[in-house]
Amino acid sequence: AQKITQTQPGMFVQEKEAVTLDCTYDTSDQSYGLFWYKQPSSGEMIFLIYQGSYDEQNATEGRYSLNFQKARKSANLVISASQLGDSAMYFCAMRAPDRGSTLGRLYFGRGTQLTVWP
Amino acid sequence: DAGVTQSPTHLIKTRGQQVTLRCSPKSGHDTVSWYQQALGQGPQFIFQYYEEEERQRGNFPDRFSGHQFPNYSSELNVNALLLGDSALYLCASSLLRGGEQFFGPGTRLTVL
Repeated sequence: AQKITQTQPGMFVQEKEAVTLDCTYDTSDQSYGLFWYKQPSSGEMIFLIYQGSYDEQNATEGRYSLNFQKARKSANLVISASQLGDSAMYFCAMRAPDRGSTLGRLYFGRGTQLTVWP
Repeated sequence: DAGVTQSPTHLIKTRGQQVTLRCSPKSGHDTVSWYQQALGQGPQFIFQYYEEEERQRGNFPDRFSGHQFPNYSSELNVNALLLGDSALYLCASSLLRGGEQFFGPGTRLTVL
């Protein structure tokens, strides 16, 4: 069975500092994808970053990077230089299988509420 | 390049009624999935469409049905609404071959 675990219900960080949001996953599929989404209070699920299980390098998108440690089954999100607008709920999700004749559904963690303070 | 769009934004219905939600995928995407997000929870998978067929289904009753059109847009229909159907309904699009998966802004359904 596919499972995503986010153990931090809430995180606090000061503006301009970096913050790491934890995510561990469990799957028996060899092909899987890991996603991070940001959900502000408006409700929209905003795509941040994607890492395929066969990608050798960690994914980066601007201030976001995904620290992918396959052996440990972890996919932590690192936000550098936090901004006040980064305050939101952050969800880690996994899709397995990640390609082919069947594209898996997304399995979500419980989310981490990030608060950035001035 | 328009992203995933959904309509309507908000909807209020009463128990027993039927509702139809609509979704247009991101340009170039061929696969559409629907999710239900109750307050304070992560999204739960309802079903996925590709080539106008339902390819996968989550643990939702038959009251939830859908459709995908030749232009890849999709509808979610819910019959005999219950109070527990009140939630944010999210549509996501992607390519069958994998990669990024984008969500629309969602439709917030309230059942009274």
